[in-house]
Amino acid sequence: GAVVSQHPSRVICKSGTSVKIECRSLDFQATTMFWYRQFPKQSLMLMATSNEGSKATYEQGVEKDKFLINHASLTLSTLTVTSAHPEDSSFYICSARDYLAEKLFFGSGTQLSVL
Amino acid sequence: AQTVTQSQPEMSVQEAETVTLSCTYDTSESDYYLFWYKQPPSRQMILVIRQEAYKQQNATENRFSVNFQKAAKSFSLKISDSQLGDAAMYFCAYKGPQGGSEKLVFGKGTKLTVNP
Repeated sequence: GAVVSQHPSRVICKSGTSVKIECRSLDFQATTMFWYRQFPKQSLMLMATSNEGSKATYEQGVEKDKFLINHASLTLSTLTVTSAHPEDSSFYICSARDYLAEKLFFGSGTQLSVL
Repeated sequence: AQTVTQSQPEMSVQEAETVTLSCTYDTSESDYYLFWYKQPPSRQMILVIRQEAYKQQNATENRFSVNFQKAAKSFSLKISDSQLGDAAMYFCAYKGPQGGSEKLVFGKGTKLTVNP
């Protein structure tokens, strides 16, 4: 079964609203999680690295006030898209590293559609 | 900055045949990790195979094998006895040395079609 749970799998929202996406490691502790964005027929682009108990590290060009990341526990990171606009519509994927197993696991992704 | 290049946007193969997907990368590191991920229509990222740069032996996982050429910075994926279920997007990815950044840098992907 899935070791990283991402929820919701699909969300449709109105322009101007905020949307929260959860990424949860199910049977391991993840001090570091990653948030990616994937446009149709394109590759995964890293948005930010989420660190438990500290501020996220954002990639160049990613607005930290637009994409709020919270990693308050060792098993949960959240990405909040604030004041969403149609151009934020995309597929968002999280991943989490199990350091003991030395493996990286991906969530199943969230398709965000902003109307 | 590290970059990963996949020069084949699309590839096709006949069922039961063999296909090779190309990947080149650029890095100044001597120790790093390379991966091939499969993304089927469900969009779930699935690890196909990984290679540690310090290992000279090419990684193999059942029908999947790599040709790792460190000096040429090349990391191709060979799929033998192709099956219909192998149809997917395939992404080559790079990760830096242990103890450094854990983030993956992905190539643009290759769409593999398997013809019956």
